[in-house]
Amino acid sequence: SQKIEQNSEALNIQEGKTATLTCNYTNYSPAYLQWYRQDPGRGPVFLLLIRENEKEKRKERLKVTFDTTLKQSLFHITASQPADSATYLCALDIVETSGSRLTFGEGTQLTVNP
Amino acid sequence: DVKVTQSSRYLVKRTGEKVFLECVQDMDHENMFWYRQDPGLGLRLIYFSYDVKMKEKGDIPEGYSVSREKKERFSLILESASTNQTSMYLCASRPTGTNLYEQYFGPGTRLTVT
Repeated sequence: SQKIEQNSEALNIQEGKTATLTCNYTNYSPAYLQWYRQDPGRGPVFLLLIRENEKEKRKERLKVTFDTTLKQSLFHITASQPADSATYLCALDIVETSGSRLTFGEGTQLTVNP
Repeated sequence: DVKVTQSSRYLVKRTGEKVFLECVQDMDHENMFWYRQDPGLGLRLIYFSYDVKMKEKGDIPEGYSVSREKKERFSLILESASTNQTSMYLCASRPTGTNLYEQYFGPGTRLTVT
C-alpha cells in the first residue's frame, strides 16, 4: 500500500542547531515534493517545492533534498530559532490525467528551545 | 496575495444535522480541495474539484458531498452529521498550469458534532 512517513517522534532541538526532518514514502512515484509549515489552529503554509530531477533546493535557512532512489526527502533548518517551532508537513505531488493532487504525511512537530 | 476564506472558524452541531462548510478563494484557481485533519492521522483528502461543476472523490468521501457551482466557491456538505465527523476541516486551492504551484490553505473550521 502507499505510505508517507515522517519522523515518528516530535523533534526538540536547541536554538542555533540544525533541525533535520525526514519524509519517506513507499509505492509512490511523485513528480514533485513539497514542504509546508503549520502553526497550531491554522492552515498549512507552503515553504519549498522540489522536482524529481533536482537533488537539492535552498531558500534562506531552509534546505530540502530529494532522493527518488531512496524514496526520501530531508528538510533542514539551519541556525534554528524558537520561531521555527511548528509542525512541518511533507506532501507528494501525484500527477494524474485530469490534474494533480497532494498527498500529505502526518507531519513532524518541531520545538526549538531557547 | 491569494486568500482562501472559510465561513466559520468554530462550529458546533448536533448529530443528524445537515452541515454546510463554505470555502471561497479570490485568485481564480481552477482546483479546490477539502481535507480533514485529525491527531495521528494527518491531512486526509475528502473531495476535490478541478473545475466548476466537477468533483472527484478523495481518500475518505463517505458521509460527505460537495458542490462547486462557481469557480471561486467550493462547499462541503455533511448530510447527517455524526460524532466521528468532529474534526478540523481545511479548504485549499491551487491553479492549473505547466508551472508548479503550491497549494493555498484557508484558516480551517473546527467542527464539533455533539
